[in-house]
Amino acid sequence: DIQMTQSPSSLSASVGDRVTITCRASQGIGNYLAWLQQKPGKAPKSLIYAASTLQSGVPSRFSGSGSGTDFTLTISSLQPEDFATYYCQQYNRFPWTFGQGTKVEIK
Amino acid sequence: QVQLQESGPGLVEPSETLSLTCTVSGGSISTYYWSWIRQSPGKGLEWIGYIYYSGIANYNPSLRGRVTMSVDTSKNQFSLKLSSVTAADTAVYYCAREENNGIVDYWGQGTLVTVSS
Repeated sequence: DIQMTQSPSSLSASVGDRVTITCRASQGIGNYLAWLQQKPGKAPKSLIYAASTLQSGVPSRFSGSGSGTDFTLTISSLQPEDFATYYCQQYNRFPWTFGQGTKVEIK
Repeated sequence: QVQLQESGPGLVEPSETLSLTCTVSGGSISTYYWSWIRQSPGKGLEWIGYIYYSGIANYNPSLRGRVTMSVDTSKNQFSLKLSSVTAADTAVYYCAREENNGIVDYWGQGTLVTVSS
């Protein structure tokens, strides 16, 4: 299976901060990468696919970049509703696999 | 607006078979791929497998041999069966729609299944 490793595992930030989360794949996956957001007790929500394409309705403060093995999710100006756990997910080779998550907490 | 809703027992005894159904509303099941994904504190998010509306399925090798998925287009439902369950199968189980293979656009709310006697 392709292993996905996120960093950091958690971070504390303030409203308005720029936040960056990194995801690394154990082998090249092209741009077959998605980012998801999950709030406590809720199902994940899909934010980005194809490494950089926003799902419909996702605010433009979210952006993704990268290809091959290294990817980044950036939130340009953190909003109160963005405090959540973020996961990367590869879909280059089945089984699709997820990172372990990055929890974004309020500073 | 497409909605997915999981249903099934919340408690399953060890060695028994876990059975869940996902009902799709607001759209037809007769296209797309339909997935089951689970989440447990110990293993994080894990893709169990997906099934195409035609019935062709692909299962995670780590669970192969215990997993069976099926689709019922007349009821707009798809189902999961996981046999010989143990405590390690305790998790929140989500059903989901893949708008393109591997890309989920809709999720069910999830259902907690506990394996215990």
